[in-house]
Amino acid sequence: KAGVTQTPRYLIKTRGQQVTLSCSPISGHRSVSWYQQTPGQGLQFLFEYFSETQRNKGNFPGRFSGRQFSNSRSEMNVSTLELGDSALYLCASSPLPGVSNQPQHFGDGTRLSIL
Amino acid sequence: AQKVTQAQTEISVVEKEDVTLDCVYETRDTTYYLFWYKQPPSGELVFLIRRNSFDEQNEISGRYSWNFQKSTSSFNFTITASQVVDSAVYFCALSSSGSARQLTFGSGTQLTVLP
Repeated sequence: KAGVTQTPRYLIKTRGQQVTLSCSPISGHRSVSWYQQTPGQGLQFLFEYFSETQRNKGNFPGRFSGRQFSNSRSEMNVSTLELGDSALYLCASSPLPGVSNQPQHFGDGTRLSIL
Repeated sequence: AQKVTQAQTEISVVEKEDVTLDCVYETRDTTYYLFWYKQPPSGELVFLIRRNSFDEQNEISGRYSWNFQKSTSSFNFTITASQVVDSAVYFCALSSSGSARQLTFGSGTQLTVLP
C-alpha cells in the first residue's frame, strides 16, 4: 500500500513569490492535515481537510491556505513568501475524522527554502 | 491550551544500552490521545504508538516499551538494547477528542546510538 506522497521534495523560491505544495494521501484515507516544521518553532499544525472542507486551522496568517479535491488529494499554498517560511512542510493522512484513535501517517515532506 | 514537553534535547548512548525518552503533557481535556513518532534523517514521521487517556496500561512492542502515568502526566518511551538504527529524532504528541487530528508536538529528542 503506497504511503503519503508529497511533491515536490525540494523547492527553492524567493521572497514575495507564491508556492503550491501537493499531497496525495494513502489510498482510502479521506482526512489530510498539514504541518510546518522549523528549527525554531518545531512542528506546528497548519490545517486539516476532509470532504473538501477545512475542518481545523492552526495559528498561521492568511497567506497560508489549502484545499482538498474530491479524490482527497490536497494542496497547500503560501503567498507572498517570507524568509521565515523556509521549513519542512509535512502532510499527514488518516482514514476519517471524528475517530480520534486512528493515527495519522506522514509523508516525507517538502523542504521549502526561501532566498 | 495543550502543551507537550520533552526536556531532553539530545541523548547519546552506546549500542545495547537502554534509553528512556521523557514526555510530559498538559491538557484540560478528559479525553485525549498521546502519540510517539520517530523522524529519521529522511524527514518522514513514522508512527510508533498511540494511547488514549482511559488506557493506562503499559505497552511493550519488541525492544520498545511505553509507560503512561496520568498521575504525573507523563508518557515515557524506553528502547531496550538500543541499536544504531534507532538513531533519530523522537517526538511525543497530544491530541484531544475535539480536534483529533490537530497534534500538538513536543520539541523532540535527538537520540544518537553509537556503535
